[in-house]
Amino acid sequence: KAGVTQTPRYLIKTRGQQVTLSCSPISGHRSVSWYQQTPGQGLQFLFEYFSETQRNKGNFPGRFSGRQFSNSRSEMNVSTLELGDSALYLCASTERGGPPSEETQYFGPGTRLLVL
Amino acid sequence: QQQVKQSPQSLIVQKGGISIINCAYENTAFDYFPWYQQFPGKGPALLIAIRPDVSEKKEGRFTISFNKSAKQFSLHIMDSQPGDSATYFCAGSAGGTSYGKLTFGQGTILTVHP
Repeated sequence: KAGVTQTPRYLIKTRGQQVTLSCSPISGHRSVSWYQQTPGQGLQFLFEYFSETQRNKGNFPGRFSGRQFSNSRSEMNVSTLELGDSALYLCASTERGGPPSEETQYFGPGTRLLVL
Repeated sequence: QQQVKQSPQSLIVQKGGISIINCAYENTAFDYFPWYQQFPGKGPALLIAIRPDVSEKKEGRFTISFNKSAKQFSLHIMDSQPGDSATYFCAGSAGGTSYGKLTFGQGTILTVHP
């Protein structure tokens, strides 16, 4: 099976713009989670989607949003970009949507976003 | 609030040596503690994981030691190889309805010299 794919891999935006990132989970996987990775804050959980519903959310402002489609593909959107949003955005998928203690999360390679 | 503290930030080991990375957690609701390995340009990948009902788990050259009373756990890499050079993250998860949520440590950059 193909792994988790994320597009685009690299993105440059300017402050105030918005951006949409895409994640295609492993075929058959139904849950998608998103993480932000920065040198200062490390890996931080953004949100998780299962069956097109957000079930869990991290401590990020409302500028960060996401959605999941019926084919389990997911997108995340960041509006009104700030310099501090520069990061590697990772998505991860699991097959049945159980908690991490029950199912391994498989991560994609990430989308590197640079905000100028 | 950083709920998982990881040390050291970086580690240099000679080939054949033992690499040790330590983590401490705050959230007593955590019931699952994985270690992830990340190579440049790649996403993290699960290396090994442990639950708090055991004190040690070994898979090949990788061992997790877990001390529930101290709320600490560590990764030991025996016979370290240059191919082990990567960033390692410990994490915790609370189970139940914590869907998708792993709380990660800050990461340790491991360099194994040949």
